[in-house]
Amino acid sequence: GQQVQQSPASLVLQEGENAELQCNFSTSLNSMQWFYQRPGGSLVSLFYNPSGTKHSGRLTSTTVIKERRSSLHISSSQTTDSGTYLCALERTNTGKLTFGDGTVLTVKP
Amino acid sequence: DPKIIQKPKYLVAVTGSEKILICEQYLGHNAMYWYRQSAKKPLEFMFSYSYQKLMDNQTASSRFQPQSSKKNHLDLQITALKPDDSATYFCASSQGTGGKNTLYFGAGTRLSVL
Repeated sequence: GQQVQQSPASLVLQEGENAELQCNFSTSLNSMQWFYQRPGGSLVSLFYNPSGTKHSGRLTSTTVIKERRSSLHISSSQTTDSGTYLCALERTNTGKLTFGDGTVLTVKP
Repeated sequence: DPKIIQKPKYLVAVTGSEKILICEQYLGHNAMYWYRQSAKKPLEFMFSYSYQKLMDNQTASSRFQPQSSKKNHLDLQITALKPDDSATYFCASSQGTGGKNTLYFGAGTRLSVL
């Protein structure tokens, strides 16, 4: 089965609403990262978060290793947040990341 | 200015031909990678290199050959192209491998094989 599962697959919000994106993994890991993929395709790293909670502006990432899950919270969403959010885990020390399918977020004005 | 340069941005090839995808990074990183994103599939790891040495290879086919002429270059040669090779190929880099190493991605090369 797939090692990294993301939910929901897609999400539509009105501007100003909050979003909670989930990532569940079925294996042990060395690290967990969240990425944002722009509609044009390029990827931007949001968080490196192997455990605990991290904040960056309107974004919060929480990883609970024992429960094999990580979440990404977006507060006060903006139209520019639209795109695909990907979580990825690393199990080895070779730099290999295993990605989930992503959550496609659409924020309407 | 983009710090990871991939060329070309778009590439159309015929079945059976050979192409080289170029990647250069100007972040001073020691590790470089190739990932592939096909339609309806997650982003998929292909190769990782550290200090120009192969660290990991998850590509079953020998038709895919990375080439590292300099520490900040990792090109990808693909031979005997097939329509199934159509995908966006992303180059990435990081300071090191494993642990606290954030990956930085290039904009990708979108390959279409006819």
